[in-house]
Amino acid sequence: AQSVTQLGSHVSVSEGALVLLRCNYSSSVPPYLFWYVQYPNQGLQLLLKYTSAATLVKGINGFEAEFKKSETSFHLTKPSAHMSDAAEYFCAVDSSYKLIFGSGTRLLVRP
Amino acid sequence: KAGVTQTPRYLIKTRGQQVTLSCSPISGHRSVSWYQQTPGQGLQFLFEYFSETQRNKGNFPGRFSGRQFSNSRSEMNVSTLELGDSALYLCASSLTSGGAQETQYFGPGTRLLVL
Repeated sequence: AQSVTQLGSHVSVSEGALVLLRCNYSSSVPPYLFWYVQYPNQGLQLLLKYTSAATLVKGINGFEAEFKKSETSFHLTKPSAHMSDAAEYFCAVDSSYKLIFGSGTRLLVRP
Repeated sequence: KAGVTQTPRYLIKTRGQQVTLSCSPISGHRSVSWYQQTPGQGLQFLFEYFSETQRNKGNFPGRFSGRQFSNSRSEMNVSTLELGDSALYLCASSLTSGGAQETQYFGPGTRLLVL
């Protein structure tokens, strides 16, 4: 069965610092991987998705993620955090046309 | 283009009651998926509908059911509510596929509180 694991339920960074949110996947076949963001009292918004076209995927709001098969990872990064990035982030994998989500990482941005 | 809309946004029910939640997908989208989000279990897939047919179902009891209408709007029903059903219920739509082939667009959710 396919699954994803997000390391760190909370990550705190200073404004302007690098954001790194970790996601490792488990899949017996080449996976389709996603990062979603959820702001308070809102639904999920797609940041980016990996569909095997390129290992470095660029998304919205300056985020990007790199697919590393050797490490079974799909970590999300942003060079410089902004206060508006404070939210919960979910990594997900497609499993037979449904999304399997990680447990989420709450990003706190300190002024 | 309007996004995915869900009604109602908030709902309070008591144990034993039943509830119906509604989801209107983005115009032209034919696939609708439902997810439950709780602090303890996280985001879990409930079911997916396409052209009025359930194509995929998660691991939830039979108290959870859904349907899709010819205009692609979907409803989910929970009967005999339990305290543990308190959650944010999210609906997502996509053109034809509930998974990797296309982006799923999520609605704002319906927050259900069972007392």
